[in-house]
Amino acid sequence: IAGITQAPTSQILAAGRRMTLRCTQDMRHNAMYWYRQDLGLGLRLIHYSNTAGTTGKGEVPDGYSVSRANTDDFPLTLASAVPSQTSVYFCASSRDRTSYGYTFGSGTRLTVV
Amino acid sequence: GENVEQHPSTLSVQEGDSAVIKCTYSDSASNYFPWYKQELGKRPQLIIDIRSNVGEKKDQRIAVTLNKTAKHFSLHITETQPEDSAVYFCAALKTLSNDYKLSFGAGTTVTVRA
Repeated sequence: IAGITQAPTSQILAAGRRMTLRCTQDMRHNAMYWYRQDLGLGLRLIHYSNTAGTTGKGEVPDGYSVSRANTDDFPLTLASAVPSQTSVYFCASSRDRTSYGYTFGSGTRLTVV
Repeated sequence: GENVEQHPSTLSVQEGDSAVIKCTYSDSASNYFPWYKQELGKRPQLIIDIRSNVGEKKDQRIAVTLNKTAKHFSLHITETQPEDSAVYFCAALKTLSNDYKLSFGAGTTVTVRA
């Protein structure tokens, strides 16, 4: 089934630990994004990638890194998790400038303790 | 960058009544405006979108209007049903920019009372 897959679904993580959230799409979308969703703050962009091999910073990039080695995968890494990174993380993708709508993954609920 | 403001933050309506959510944007170059619906525990899903060359668009009980001069756009849901209860997000995009990033509003939690 074509779509976008995130893993894990949820995770409890000790502060200071390193964690990679996985995101894979099979729609051959050029652009991919990572958002965090916090109550009252909506969806805030962490990092994005317009095409394989390129990445960019969103509005809340500190403490996070991404890579885009190929079209399908866009992992998000927390190098040393802190409690303020407790959130629901959504990966999304879009095809190109002629198709602007996002397809979202099902989300990863991360709790940093 | 683009700043999208969304009001109200919460909205409670009686089943069968209409619901209206309003958004304003700051960048006059923005020209694509989608709306997403997020049910509890689910992912956001695109429900309708509008481009700046159109003033209104309808899809069954959902409609979106755009006022480019005032830089605001609205979502209208008529004959609301319990399954319309969700969080709704508006967003804006400059399609002629060098990237495809959407700027989202903070969301509106809609509750439809039976």
